[in-house]
Amino acid sequence: GESVGLHLPTLSVQEGDNSIINCAYSNSASDYFIWYKQESGKGPQFIIDIRSNMDKRQGQRVTVLLNKTVKHLSLQIAATQPGDSAVYFCAPRGATNKLIFGTGTLLAVQP
Amino acid sequence: DVKVTQSSRYLVKRTGEKVFLECVQDMDHENMFWYRQDPGLGLRLIYFSYDVKMKEKGDIPEGYSVSREKKERFSLILESASTNQTSMYLCASARATEAFFGQGTRLTVV
Repeated sequence: GESVGLHLPTLSVQEGDNSIINCAYSNSASDYFIWYKQESGKGPQFIIDIRSNMDKRQGQRVTVLLNKTVKHLSLQIAATQPGDSAVYFCAPRGATNKLIFGTGTLLAVQP
Repeated sequence: DVKVTQSSRYLVKRTGEKVFLECVQDMDHENMFWYRQDPGLGLRLIYFSYDVKMKEKGDIPEGYSVSREKKERFSLILESASTNQTSMYLCASARATEAFFGQGTRLTVV
C-alpha cells in the first residue's frame, strides 16, 4: 500500500533562519505532491503543490523540491517567522485523486 | 470562500451506539474525504468518495462506513462505537490538489 514518512518529527529553528522539512513517499504513481500546514486547533491548509514531472516549484517564501529517483520531496521556508509554527504534512495524490497524509513534522520557531 | 461544515464540534457517545458524523461542502467538489487524527499518527484516511454513491476505502476503514447520496454531503458512520474510535475526525473536500477541511469533530466514546 501507499505510505508516507517524514525524517524529522520535530524541527526547531530560529526566527529568520531557513527551514527545510523533508518527506519520503512510496507510491511512484502519484501525479501531484502537495504540502499542507496545520496550525493548532485548525484543519490543514493547502500551501503549495508540485506536479510529478517537475523537480522544483517556488511560491511566496516557500520552495518545493522533488526527487523522484529517491522518492523524496522537501519544503523549504525562507526567513522563517513565528507564524510559520505549525505541523506540516506532505500528501501525494494517488489514483482517483486520493490524498494520503504522513505523520507530519512539527515546526517550532524560536524567537 | 469554500466552506466545509461538520455537523458537530464535540460529541460524546456510548460504546455500542451507532454514530453519524455529517459533512457538507458548498463548492460542488467531486472529491470528499474522512480522516481521523490522533497524536503522533498524523491524518489517517478512513474513506474517500470521488463522486455521488462512489467510495473507496482508505487505510483504516474497519468499523466505519460512509454514505454519499448527494454531491455536497458525505457522512461517516460508526456502526457500533468503541472506545478506540475516540479521536478527532476531519472531513475535507477537493476538486484538484487543494483540499479544504472542516473544523473537525472531537468524538469521545465512553
